[in-house]
Amino acid sequence: NAGVTQTPKFQVLKTGQSMTLQCAQDMNHEYMSWYRQDPGMGLRLIHYSVGAGITDQGEVPNGYNVSRSTTEDFPLRLLSAAPSQTSVYFCATIRSGAENTEAFFGQGTRLTVV
Amino acid sequence: AQKVTQAQTEISVVEKEDVTLDCVYETRDTTYYLFWYKQPPSGELVFLIRRNSFDEQNEISGRYSWNFQKSTSSFNFTITASQVVDSAVYFCALSEENSGYALNFGKGTSLLVTP
Repeated sequence: NAGVTQTPKFQVLKTGQSMTLQCAQDMNHEYMSWYRQDPGMGLRLIHYSVGAGITDQGEVPNGYNVSRSTTEDFPLRLLSAAPSQTSVYFCATIRSGAENTEAFFGQGTRLTVV
Repeated sequence: AQKVTQAQTEISVVEKEDVTLDCVYETRDTTYYLFWYKQPPSGELVFLIRRNSFDEQNEISGRYSWNFQKSTSSFNFTITASQVVDSAVYFCALSEENSGYALNFGKGTSLLVTP
């Protein structure tokens, strides 16, 4: 049982390049979300999804696109990378339920934009 | 507006001291969930506890305890007899159904426990 798998673990991009951070889960959870973590800022929500075909913006969506064509995958796209997007990115799934709501996080992707 | 406030940015204690990490949250939902996570220097997020809004029972797990008070919108975390291995950043987070249960995190409290 892999849980939440993020790839790649590390990435260096040049300003203006595009790339996709992958997030895959095998727990059949409907709810998924992306966060970025910057020093002193905690984790901030970028985008989230409540099921296949449904996504919505979080606190810091600018510069990022998402799609959710399947329950399993929730990729995060950087269309034109900027140095301000240097950060650690976490993907999470949420198991929802009155008694056992819980979030499961991937190991993170450390992105550097030069 | 910040939904989760962790007013303590950094705390430093000497081993065996007790320490309390504060968390204040803001929500209009009647059903919500509160979490605490630990992030050690290795960077992964370690789940510590979840509390449902309808369950105000305090909880103790070994040296860890949590005090949930809806009247003051607080969910504080106490470590008793702290140890060096407790050194980490601790995050409090709020989850609401109307935002897809996505977590709203506080900015974290960095705890340093020295021998």
